[in-house]
Amino acid sequence: ENVLTQSPAIMSASPGEKVTMTCRASSSVSSSYLHWYQQKSGASPKLWIYSTSNLASGVPARFSGSGSGTSYSLTISSVEAEDAATYYCQQYSGYPLTFGAGTKLELK
Amino acid sequence: DVQLQESGPGLVKPSQSLSLTCTVTGYSITSDYAWNWIRQFPGNKLEWMGYISYSGSTSYNPSLKSRISITRDTSKNQFFLQLNSVTTEDTATYYCASLTGPWFAYWGQGTLVTVSA
Repeated sequence: ENVLTQSPAIMSASPGEKVTMTCRASSSVSSSYLHWYQQKSGASPKLWIYSTSNLASGVPARFSGSGSGTSYSLTISSVEAEDAATYYCQQYSGYPLTFGAGTKLELK
Repeated sequence: DVQLQESGPGLVKPSQSLSLTCTVTGYSITSDYAWNWIRQFPGNKLEWMGYISYSGSTSYNPSLKSRISITRDTSKNQFFLQLNSVTTEDTATYYCASLTGPWFAYWGQGTLVTVSA
Protein backbone atom coordinates (compact mmCIF):
# COMPACT_ATOMS: atom_id res chain seq x y z
CA GLU A 1 0.00 0.00 0.00
CA ASN A 2 1.29 3.43 -0.95
CA VAL A 3 1.09 5.52 2.21
CA LEU A 4 0.67 9.26 1.71
CA THR A 5 1.97 11.48 4.50
CA GLN A 6 0.77 15.06 4.57
CA SER A 7 2.41 17.91 6.45
CA PRO A 8 1.73 19.91 8.38
CA ALA A 9 -1.40 18.37 9.89
CA ILE A 10 -2.68 21.83 10.79
CA MET A 11 -1.54 25.22 9.59
CA SER A 12 -2.67 28.72 10.32
CA ALA A 13 -2.33 31.62 7.91
CA SER A 14 -3.34 35.24 7.64
CA PRO A 15 -5.23 36.54 4.62
CA GLY A 16 -2.79 37.43 1.87
CA GLU A 17 -0.11 35.03 3.09
CA LYS A 18 1.46 32.41 0.82
CA VAL A 19 1.14 28.85 2.09
CA THR A 20 2.48 25.49 0.97
CA MET A 21 1.48 22.03 2.13
CA THR A 22 3.16 18.80 1.17
CA CYS A 23 2.24 15.22 0.41
CA ARG A 24 4.94 12.55 0.51
CA ALA A 25 4.39 9.05 -0.84
CA SER A 26 6.02 5.87 0.43
CA SER A 27 6.41 4.74 -3.19
CA SER A 28 6.79 6.78 -6.34
CA VAL A 29 3.59 8.12 -7.87
CA SER A 30 3.25 9.17 -11.49
CA SER A 31 2.49 12.86 -11.65
CA SER A 32 -0.61 12.01 -13.68
CA TYR A 33 -1.96 10.08 -10.72
CA LEU A 34 -1.58 12.46 -7.77
CA HIS A 35 -4.61 14.60 -6.95
CA TRP A 36 -5.84 17.00 -4.28
CA TYR A 37 -9.29 17.46 -2.74
CA GLN A 38 -10.74 20.26 -0.66
CA GLN A 39 -13.20 19.45 2.09
CA LYS A 40 -15.07 22.00 4.14
CA SER A 41 -16.80 21.14 7.39
CA GLY A 42 -19.97 19.11 6.87
CA ALA A 43 -19.43 18.75 3.12
CA SER A 44 -18.09 16.03 0.89
CA PRO A 45 -14.59 16.33 -0.61
CA LYS A 46 -14.29 18.19 -3.89
CA LEU A 47 -11.73 17.50 -6.58
CA TRP A 48 -9.41 20.51 -6.40
CA ILE A 49 -6.24 19.78 -8.33
CA TYR A 50 -5.80 16.77 -10.61
CA SER A 51 -2.70 15.22 -12.09
CA THR A 52 -0.39 17.24 -9.85
CA SER A 53 -0.96 20.68 -11.31
CA ASN A 54 -4.28 20.98 -13.13
CA LEU A 55 -6.93 23.06 -11.42
CA ALA A 56 -10.41 21.58 -11.35
CA SER A 57 -13.27 23.64 -12.71
CA GLY A 58 -13.95 26.72 -10.63
CA VAL A 59 -10.74 26.56 -8.58
CA PRO A 60 -9.16 30.02 -8.21
CA ALA A 61 -5.86 30.66 -9.94
CA ARG A 62 -4.17 31.44 -6.61
CA PHE A 63 -3.96 27.65 -6.15
CA SER A 64 -1.18 25.67 -7.75
CA GLY A 65 0.29 22.21 -7.49
CA SER A 66 3.67 20.73 -8.24
CA GLY A 67 5.86 17.76 -7.60
CA SER A 68 7.08 14.45 -8.88
CA GLY A 69 8.06 11.01 -7.68
CA THR A 70 7.39 10.85 -3.97
CA SER A 71 7.04 14.53 -3.13
CA TYR A 72 4.14 16.80 -4.06
CA SER A 73 2.87 20.14 -2.86
CA LEU A 74 -0.13 22.43 -3.00
CA THR A 75 0.48 26.17 -2.79
CA ILE A 76 -1.88 29.07 -2.28
CA SER A 77 -0.23 32.28 -3.42
CA SER A 78 -2.41 34.61 -1.36
CA VAL A 79 -4.74 32.95 1.11
CA GLU A 80 -8.33 34.11 1.33
CA ALA A 81 -10.90 33.41 4.05
CA GLU A 82 -12.81 31.01 1.79
CA ASP A 83 -9.74 28.75 1.55
CA ALA A 84 -10.17 27.55 5.15
CA ALA A 85 -10.67 23.81 4.70
CA THR A 86 -8.90 20.47 4.89
CA TYR A 87 -6.91 19.42 1.85
CA TYR A 88 -6.29 15.75 1.04
CA CYS A 89 -3.94 14.21 -1.49
CA GLN A 90 -4.83 10.94 -3.24
CA GLN A 91 -2.84 8.53 -5.41
CA TYR A 92 -3.92 6.29 -8.25
CA SER A 93 -0.56 4.67 -8.95
CA GLY A 94 -1.43 1.46 -7.21
CA TYR A 95 -4.21 -0.37 -5.48
CA PRO A 96 -5.56 0.10 -2.93
CA LEU A 97 -6.18 3.73 -3.78
CA THR A 98 -5.08 5.80 -0.82
CA PHE A 99 -5.53 9.26 0.65
CA GLY A 100 -3.32 11.31 2.88
CA ALA A 101 -4.53 12.22 6.36
CA GLY A 102 -5.12 15.81 5.32
CA THR A 103 -3.80 19.28 6.08
CA LYS A 104 -6.24 21.55 7.84
CA LEU A 105 -5.82 25.19 6.87
CA GLU A 106 -7.10 27.68 9.41
CA LEU A 107 -7.35 31.41 8.87
CA LYS A 108 -6.07 33.81 11.51
CA ASP B 1 -24.50 16.94 -14.47
CA VAL B 2 -23.59 13.73 -12.66
CA GLN B 3 -25.14 13.47 -9.22
CA LEU B 4 -24.82 10.72 -6.63
CA GLN B 5 -26.96 10.18 -3.55
CA GLU B 6 -26.38 7.69 -0.76
CA SER B 7 -29.21 6.13 1.20
CA GLY B 8 -29.57 3.48 3.86
CA PRO B 9 -29.86 2.87 7.59
CA GLY B 10 -28.02 5.24 9.88
CA LEU B 11 -27.70 2.69 12.67
CA VAL B 12 -26.48 -0.88 12.42
CA LYS B 13 -25.92 -3.36 15.23
CA PRO B 14 -22.53 -5.01 15.71
CA SER B 15 -22.07 -8.31 13.83
CA GLN B 16 -24.85 -7.38 11.37
CA SER B 17 -24.48 -6.27 7.77
CA LEU B 18 -24.34 -2.68 6.59
CA SER B 19 -26.18 -2.06 3.33
CA LEU B 20 -26.15 1.20 1.41
CA THR B 21 -27.47 2.34 -1.95
CA CYS B 22 -26.01 4.95 -4.27
CA THR B 23 -28.44 6.38 -6.82
CA VAL B 24 -26.80 8.04 -9.81
CA THR B 25 -28.54 10.63 -11.96
CA GLY B 26 -27.30 12.42 -15.04
CA TYR B 27 -25.14 9.54 -16.26
CA SER B 28 -25.55 5.83 -16.88
CA ILE B 29 -23.37 3.66 -14.68
CA THR B 30 -22.95 1.31 -17.64
CA SER B 31 -21.52 4.01 -19.93
CA ASP B 32 -18.12 4.50 -18.34
CA TYR B 33 -16.22 5.13 -15.10
CA ALA B 34 -15.81 3.16 -11.92
CA TRP B 35 -18.37 3.59 -9.18
CA ASN B 36 -16.84 3.66 -5.73
CA TRP B 37 -17.49 3.55 -2.05
CA ILE B 38 -15.25 5.63 0.19
CA ARG B 39 -15.63 6.10 3.90
CA GLN B 40 -14.45 8.77 6.30
CA PHE B 41 -13.88 7.83 9.91
CA PRO B 42 -14.36 10.09 12.91
CA GLY B 43 -11.07 11.98 12.94
CA ASN B 44 -11.41 12.40 9.15
CA LYS B 45 -9.28 9.61 7.71
CA LEU B 46 -10.50 8.67 4.21
CA GLU B 47 -10.50 5.02 3.14
CA TRP B 48 -11.20 3.76 -0.37
CA MET B 49 -13.37 0.65 -0.02
CA GLY B 50 -13.84 -0.56 -3.58
CA TYR B 51 -15.61 -0.07 -6.88
CA ILE B 52 -17.80 -1.64 -9.50
CA SER B 53 -16.86 -0.64 -13.02
CA TYR B 54 -19.18 0.29 -15.87
CA SER B 55 -18.68 -3.26 -17.18
CA GLY B 56 -19.54 -4.86 -13.85
CA SER B 57 -16.07 -5.84 -12.68
CA THR B 58 -15.16 -5.15 -9.08
CA SER B 59 -12.08 -4.21 -7.09
CA TYR B 60 -11.87 -4.11 -3.33
CA ASN B 61 -9.50 -2.84 -0.70
CA PRO B 62 -7.66 -5.90 0.62
CA SER B 63 -8.28 -4.70 4.16
CA LEU B 64 -11.99 -5.36 3.57
CA LYS B 65 -11.92 -8.09 0.97
CA SER B 66 -13.50 -10.80 3.06
CA ARG B 67 -16.40 -8.60 4.24
CA ILE B 68 -17.30 -6.35 1.30
CA SER B 69 -19.48 -6.74 -1.74
CA ILE B 70 -20.38 -4.09 -4.31
CA THR B 71 -23.20 -4.84 -6.74
CA ARG B 72 -25.47 -2.88 -9.01
CA ASP B 73 -28.95 -2.62 -10.53
CA THR B 74 -28.50 -1.16 -13.99
CA SER B 75 -32.25 -0.77 -14.52
CA LYS B 76 -32.39 1.66 -11.62
CA ASN B 77 -28.92 3.16 -12.21
CA GLN B 78 -27.92 2.26 -8.69
CA PHE B 79 -25.01 0.50 -7.06
CA PHE B 80 -24.83 -0.99 -3.61
CA LEU B 81 -22.46 -1.59 -0.74
CA GLN B 82 -22.73 -4.53 1.60
CA LEU B 83 -20.29 -4.80 4.49
CA ASN B 84 -20.64 -7.86 6.67
CA SER B 85 -19.84 -8.52 10.32
CA VAL B 86 -19.58 -4.85 11.23
CA THR B 87 -18.00 -3.60 14.43
CA THR B 88 -17.92 -0.20 16.06
CA GLU B 89 -14.78 0.49 14.01
CA ASP B 90 -16.98 0.61 10.90
CA THR B 91 -18.71 3.72 12.20
CA ALA B 92 -18.06 6.34 9.53
CA THR B 93 -19.55 8.62 6.93
CA TYR B 94 -19.93 6.62 3.75
CA TYR B 95 -19.59 8.30 0.37
CA CYS B 96 -20.24 7.04 -3.11
CA ALA B 97 -18.09 8.61 -5.79
CA SER B 98 -17.27 8.21 -9.46
CA LEU B 99 -13.71 7.53 -10.56
CA THR B 100 -13.67 9.38 -13.86
CA GLY B 101 -10.19 8.45 -14.97
CA PRO B 102 -7.69 8.47 -12.13
CA TRP B 103 -9.54 10.94 -9.90
CA PHE B 104 -12.84 11.13 -8.02
CA ALA B 105 -14.71 13.82 -9.89
CA TYR B 106 -18.16 13.39 -8.40
CA TRP B 107 -19.14 12.62 -4.82
CA GLY B 108 -22.39 12.07 -3.01
CA GLN B 109 -23.21 14.10 0.08
CA GLY B 110 -22.33 11.19 2.35
CA THR B 111 -24.35 9.25 4.90
CA LEU B 112 -23.34 8.66 8.50
CA VAL B 113 -23.55 5.06 9.63
CA THR B 114 -23.16 4.33 13.32
CA VAL B 115 -22.50 0.81 14.53
CA SER B 116 -23.89 0.42 18.00
CA ALA B 117 -25.96 -2.01 20.02
